[in-house]
Amino acid sequence: AQRVTQPEKLLSVFKGAPVELKCNYSYSGSPELFWYVQYSRQRLQLLLRHISRESIKGFTADLNKGETSFHLKKPFAQEEDSAMYYCALSRYRDDKIIFGKGTRLHILP
Amino acid sequence: NAGVTQTPKFRILKIGQSMTLQCTQDMNHNYMYWYRQDPGMGLKLIYYSVGAGITDKGEVPNGYNVSRSTTEDFPLRLELAAPSQTSVYFCASNIGDRYTGELFFGEGSRLTVL
Repeated sequence: AQRVTQPEKLLSVFKGAPVELKCNYSYSGSPELFWYVQYSRQRLQLLLRHISRESIKGFTADLNKGETSFHLKKPFAQEEDSAMYYCALSRYRDDKIIFGKGTRLHILP
Repeated sequence: NAGVTQTPKFRILKIGQSMTLQCTQDMNHNYMYWYRQDPGMGLKLIYYSVGAGITDKGEVPNGYNVSRSTTEDFPLRLELAAPSQTSVYFCASNIGDRYTGELFFGEGSRLTVL
C-alpha cells in the first residue's frame, strides 16, 4: 500500500535560516506529490504540487524517485511560515489522496 | 462562491449517540472526501466519492457511513458515537482530477465524544 512518511513532528528554525521539511513515500509506480499547509485558524490549502514545478512563497520541492522523497525547502525562513505542513500522495488511476502525519514548523524570532 | 461548507463547526456527543456531519460544495466538483485529523496522526481518509451515487471506503471507515445523493452534498454519519471518534473532521472536494488537481477543504468540524 502507498504510504507517506514525515519523520519530524516538530521542526524549529530560526528566522532567516534554511528550512527543509522531509517527506518520503512508498509507491512503486508514478506518484503525484503535493504539499499542503494549514496556517493557524485557516483552512488546509495547497502549497505546491510536484507536477507544476513551481515555487510558492519561496518554497520548492523536488521529486526524487531514486530516494522516493519530496522534501520541501526554503532558503530563508520567515515568521509567517509557521504552520502545519502535510505531504500528500496520489497514485495514477487511484481516486484516493493519502496524507502524511504532518510536521509543525515553528519559526523562532 | 462559498467553496466547501461544513456544519456544525463544533459538537459534543455522548457515547452511543448518532449524528451527521454535513458537507456541501458549490464548485460542481465530482470528487469529495472525508478526513479525520488527530494530533500526531495527520489526516486519515474515512470515505470518498467520485460522483453522485458512488462512495468508497478510505483508510479508517469503521464506525462511519456516507451517502452521495447529489453532486453538492456528502454527509458523514456516525451511528454509535465512541470516544475514539473524538477528532476534527474535514471535508474536501476536487474537480475530478485527483491525480493533479487541488483539494479544497472545509473549515473542519470538531467533534468530542464523552
